[in-house]
Amino acid sequence: AQRVTQPEKLLSVFKGAPVELKCNYSYSGSPELFWYVQYSRQRLQLLLRHISRESIKGFTADLNKGETSFHLKKPFAQEEDSAMYYCALRPGNNAGNMLTFGGGTRLMVKP
Amino acid sequence: GAVVSQHPSRVICKSGTSVKIECRSLDFQATTMFWYRQFPKQSLMLMATSNEGSKATYEQGVEKDKFLINHASLTLSTLTVTSAHPEDSSFYICSATPPAGAVEAFFGQGTRLTVV
Repeated sequence: AQRVTQPEKLLSVFKGAPVELKCNYSYSGSPELFWYVQYSRQRLQLLLRHISRESIKGFTADLNKGETSFHLKKPFAQEEDSAMYYCALRPGNNAGNMLTFGGGTRLMVKP
Repeated sequence: GAVVSQHPSRVICKSGTSVKIECRSLDFQATTMFWYRQFPKQSLMLMATSNEGSKATYEQGVEKDKFLINHASLTLSTLTVTSAHPEDSSFYICSATPPAGAVEAFFGQGTRLTVV
């Protein structure tokens, strides 16, 4: 069975500081990894996925299969980045498979 | 992007009553929808996979007779919490993925259930 671990429940940084939200996973096959974000009083929404190798809102995440990690990074945090961030894994490449979520990390960006 | 609508967003019910939560995909058809549950300060836990036209697949430890799932059409799945108890109080979220090779899952806004 797959598992996703986000070791930090809360991460607090000052505006302009770099931020890294950690995510480690365990899965025997080839996973798809995602980062979802939930802003205050809004629904969960996709931030980025590893297969597209894109940068969204200044965030990037690289899948490191050797370390089984998918850490989310941003060089200069902004106050509007404050939100709950969830790392998620989906087995294989079937969109019909369910997502397994990490415990989530609350990011607080202080002015 | 695609929209998934969940209703109601908040409900309070008495112990022993049943509550129905609806999940609709507004602009796409979803043969599969997922129901998640989130306890305070915890992660989203998959409860069941809802399949249009067939029985739902429940995760281990989830009582299928308590959490009734009906996926009667390609745009609607319902979760009914039967004989609710205070320990069923939680945040319930559904998600759906458009077909035809889509990758992204879209989430409803969630339903906060409080059983008193």
